[in-house]
Amino acid sequence: EPEVTQTPSHQVTQMGQEVILRCVPISNHLYFYWYRQILGQKVEFLVSFYNNEISEKSEIFDDQFSVERPDGSNFTLKIRSTKLEDSAMYFCASRVGTISYEQYFGPGTRLTVT
Amino acid sequence: QQQVKQSPQSLIVQKGGIPIINCAYENTAFDYFPWYQQFPGKGPALLIAIRPDVSEKKEGRFTISFNKSAKQFSLHIMDSQPGDSATYFCAAAENYGGATNKLIFGTGTLLAVQP
Repeated sequence: EPEVTQTPSHQVTQMGQEVILRCVPISNHLYFYWYRQILGQKVEFLVSFYNNEISEKSEIFDDQFSVERPDGSNFTLKIRSTKLEDSAMYFCASRVGTISYEQYFGPGTRLTVT
Repeated sequence: QQQVKQSPQSLIVQKGGIPIINCAYENTAFDYFPWYQQFPGKGPALLIAIRPDVSEKKEGRFTISFNKSAKQFSLHIMDSQPGDSATYFCAAAENYGGATNKLIFGTGTLLAVQP
């Protein structure tokens, strides 16, 4: 069964460093998302991406964040200068298209900023 | 308005019991209501979802009940098993088929099913 994959599973970085989180969405899906989950809290929407552009972003998704689909398979989230409060699980999700709302999540990347 | 309120925060049931998790919303534009199951260290897995044109949907041991007038929906797990022990999140989205359909999640319910 096709699934969303994410790498790395765990990333440790120092405050102020740049990180890139990688995702490979399900191959025929057209809509892509990033969510984050601070330990013990609910899952929060960050950004949605369709047709090579951001379709919506949350207040969390400030100028330090960017997303990119550099090729036909990868979808990346870049945090330019990490802060301690960026420590969280980051989940990528994808959706097939307008016929369905169903979003499928990857296993997540645990980001730890020290 | 964008919030989804979920209760209880945690729930303990005996094997075979029927845990019920409730969610409520305010935004009447929401038109898709999924439930996700999450095991520790894993991503949320889509369990079952409902749209507001039906009042109930059943898939296996999982049932969603939906009350449009009360703006509430709930998850029932029939014949619960220890393997069902996980965190359950309700969510909601609006604008079916649109370019965004961001999911607004509830705060989660930690379910423990005791053998």
